[in-house]
Amino acid sequence: AQSVAQPEDQVNVAEGNPLTVKCTYSVSGNPYLFWYVQYPNRGLQFLLKYITGDNLVKGSYGFEAEFNKSQTSFHLKKPSALVSDSALYFCAVRDPLYDYKLSFGAGTTVTVRA
Amino acid sequence: DAGITQSPRYKITETGRQVTLMCHQTWSHSYMFWYRQDLGHGLRLIYYSAAADITDKGEVPDGYVVSRSKTENFPLTLESATRSQTSVYFCASTGTRQETQYFGPGTRLLVL
Repeated sequence: AQSVAQPEDQVNVAEGNPLTVKCTYSVSGNPYLFWYVQYPNRGLQFLLKYITGDNLVKGSYGFEAEFNKSQTSFHLKKPSALVSDSALYFCAVRDPLYDYKLSFGAGTTVTVRA
Repeated sequence: DAGITQSPRYKITETGRQVTLMCHQTWSHSYMFWYRQDLGHGLRLIYYSAAADITDKGEVPDGYVVSRSKTENFPLTLESATRSQTSVYFCASTGTRQETQYFGPGTRLLVL
């Protein structure tokens, strides 16, 4: 079975400070990992993914994430947060040994204060 | 416009009524998915489909029915709506050689 944990329900940062949203996963094989962002009353927007290759993945809007196999983590980061980054962030994992189903974390609400 | 659309965007119904939520994608993606989003649970998979006429249960399928007669459409039916099915429902799709699921705008359903 595959699963994802986002240990923080909320993350609060000041604009201009680094932003980190944590994610850990559990799969039986090599994981495919994803980050999505959801703005109020909107659908989920894809940010970035890790399939294979370089452990540091760069995505949309200046976000990046680092895959750490030994710690089974895929933390989302942004060097300098913007107020407009305030949203709900979801980490998701897929075990490619099975089908195309994704398992999502419960989500982390990010608030960036001016 | 190309993409994935859902209708209706908002729906209020009563307990016991049948409700159908529509999902349409223009990418000819093979895989389509239905999720529900509830506070504290993230997104949970209800049903998915690997191709036309191929569907399978997800994590929380009870009380829901799906069909997929055409590749581009994947309707979700609540046979007899219950209050516990009040939620936001998202449809998603992905192609055979892609890994990223792309999501529709969602349907907000209230069951009274």
